[in-house]
Amino acid sequence: AQSVTQLDSQVPVFEEAPVELRCNYSSSVSVYLFWYVQYPNQGLQLLLKYLSGSTLVESINGFEAEFNKSQTSFHLRKPSVHISDTAEYFCAVSDSGTSYGKLTFGQGTILTVHP
Amino acid sequence: EPEVTQTPSHQVTQMGQEVILRCVPISNHLYFYWYRQILGQKVEFLVSFYNNEISEKSEIFDDQFSVERPDGSNFTLKIRSTKLEDSAMYFCASGQASYQETQYFGPGTRLLVL
Repeated sequence: AQSVTQLDSQVPVFEEAPVELRCNYSSSVSVYLFWYVQYPNQGLQLLLKYLSGSTLVESINGFEAEFNKSQTSFHLRKPSVHISDTAEYFCAVSDSGTSYGKLTFGQGTILTVHP
Repeated sequence: EPEVTQTPSHQVTQMGQEVILRCVPISNHLYFYWYRQILGQKVEFLVSFYNNEISEKSEIFDDQFSVERPDGSNFTLKIRSTKLEDSAMYFCASGQASYQETQYFGPGTRLLVL
């Protein structure tokens, strides 16, 4: 069975400051890793994903995440946040083996960017 | 850009009543999913659906739940006899393929069982 832990339920930060949202997972098989973002009153949107290859993946809006197999982590970072980044962020894993794409989510981290 | 839509956005029902939550996935997608999020808890997988049959379901998805793709465009989740603990946000998602492909989520239906 897989599980995902997001260590921080809320992260307040000032605009233009760096931020790191932490995600650790456990799985007995190889996994694919995802970060989803949910803005108020909207559905979950994919931010970035790791499938294979380079362990550092980037999104189009400046976020990046690094897959660390030895630490079973997939932390999300941004060097300088904007007010518009205020949202809830979900880390998720998908079994690369037999499941039909089922996603297992962490509990979410609410990022609040203050001016 | 194509998107997944869900109706209704909110549903209030009495315990024991049947509810049907509707989703219109992205048109060329082949894999369909339902997830739910009880207030303050994680987003949980309920069921995946491919080729007109359930491909995987969680232990939450018991006999009171069913899914259907009645007309090739809609994807529905039926709860036959709602319980108080069914109150949650229900998300539909669709994808072109399984494992590696992005799942596109709808905005959700907030179900409140009284």
